[in-house]
Amino acid sequence: QKEVEQNSGPLSVPEGAIASLNCTYSDRGSQSFFWYRQYSGKSPELIMSIYSNGDKEDGRFTAQLNKASQYVSLLIRDSQPSDSATYLCAVLWNTDKLIFGTGTRLQVFP
Amino acid sequence: SAVISQKPSRDICQRGTSLTIQCQVDSQVTMMFWYRQQPGQSLTLIATANQGSEATYESGFVIDKFPISRPNLTFSTLTVSNMSPEDSSIYLCGTNGESSYNEQFFGPGTRLTVL
Repeated sequence: QKEVEQNSGPLSVPEGAIASLNCTYSDRGSQSFFWYRQYSGKSPELIMSIYSNGDKEDGRFTAQLNKASQYVSLLIRDSQPSDSATYLCAVLWNTDKLIFGTGTRLQVFP
Repeated sequence: SAVISQKPSRDICQRGTSLTIQCQVDSQVTMMFWYRQQPGQSLTLIATANQGSEATYESGFVIDKFPISRPNLTFSTLTVSNMSPEDSSIYLCGTNGESSYNEQFFGPGTRLTVL
């Protein structure tokens, strides 16, 4: 059973702070990892992809991957109320199947 | 990434009826995916649809309940058959991106309520 686990939250952070979202996965052979943002009533939107150990930065977002620990995280710097959403971690399995975590709800308060 | 549209965007249906959801992509894609997102839950893959072959269903999903068509490289349909209230969900169509890492992109979804 391939599993992706996330804390459901809500994670509440003040505006301007760093939000840290975490995800663990069970399949040690997984090679591709994704973070999606989903606003209420909308479909998931891809915001970050990461394939190699270490950090990958894109604007205010940084994805971190540690394959030895089977751990992937997403940092959001200078959090804004518009970042309030559910963040879904997804892991690619068997080259074409995405396994999603249950998502972490982020609330950024002014 | 490709632009994906779905029809209908939402529907309210009676128990025992069927609904067909259409997914249109603005470019040719090899693989299309159908997901279900039940209220308050994450996405669960129903099946993968390749043009010219039968859809591949995930454990817990069967063709009789969720028949899928894939007549060409830009279009697919998912039918939810003999519906019950437990089928009330958002149904999402997705495709691969163009990179070799197989990221997926999603349509806007179809919100189905079964009474």
